[in-house]
Amino acid sequence: EVQLVQSGAEVRTPGESLRISCKGSGYSFTNYWITWVRQMPGRGLEWMGRIDPSDSYTTYSPSFQGHVTISADKSITTAYLQWSSLKASDTAMYYCARHDNMGWFDPWGQGTLVTVSS
Amino acid sequence: DIQMTQSPSTLSASVGDRVTITCRASQSISSWLAWYQQKPGKAPKLLIYKASNLQSGVPSRFSGSGSGTEFTLAISSLQPDDFATYYCQQYNSSPWTFGQGTKVEIK
Repeated sequence: EVQLVQSGAEVRTPGESLRISCKGSGYSFTNYWITWVRQMPGRGLEWMGRIDPSDSYTTYSPSFQGHVTISADKSITTAYLQWSSLKASDTAMYYCARHDNMGWFDPWGQGTLVTVSS
Repeated sequence: DIQMTQSPSTLSASVGDRVTITCRASQSISSWLAWYQQKPGKAPKLLIYKASNLQSGVPSRFSGSGSGTEFTLAISSLQPDDFATYYCQQYNSSPWTFGQGTKVEIK
């Protein structure tokens, strides 16, 4: 079974750093990109960026470029999303998904809730 | 960026109804469109890819159509499990973008 399992919920204060993870299993991890999607409370889906785990080539949405970093470790079939300095506006659910090279996202991880509050 | 606009934003319907959701792109995206279903507290689930291709395991009451700038998701006979929010997504060009969502509610 193809599966993406994300790390657990996180609570941080503004200015802190954070890295969340997404572990793939049941398929060849380097044959598909991993994409990250943000969903702010009560809002829709926003594509943040993607990574090719085979060579760690990344593409970011202009809306998120410079605010987050996407990385991957193919040896442990895990992708990461990280922030160097969180803001309250980063409070959201973050999903990873396997990104078919044709462009659709399937399957999705269960989501990681990030709460940033002082 | 390609803007995706869904209509309606909310749809009230009864079990057994046929419902349709429209998604319009700000420029032609050929058939590079996917549809997702999201239930409260859950991750989105792929329903349709390449505008009209049903993902494996998705009930046949779901169908997709369209090309260019206008697309439709139809549910032929609404079931209790279908009350959810639906999103379209274009993958013609980066950045990939989603519609704002259509919430299907019980009438």
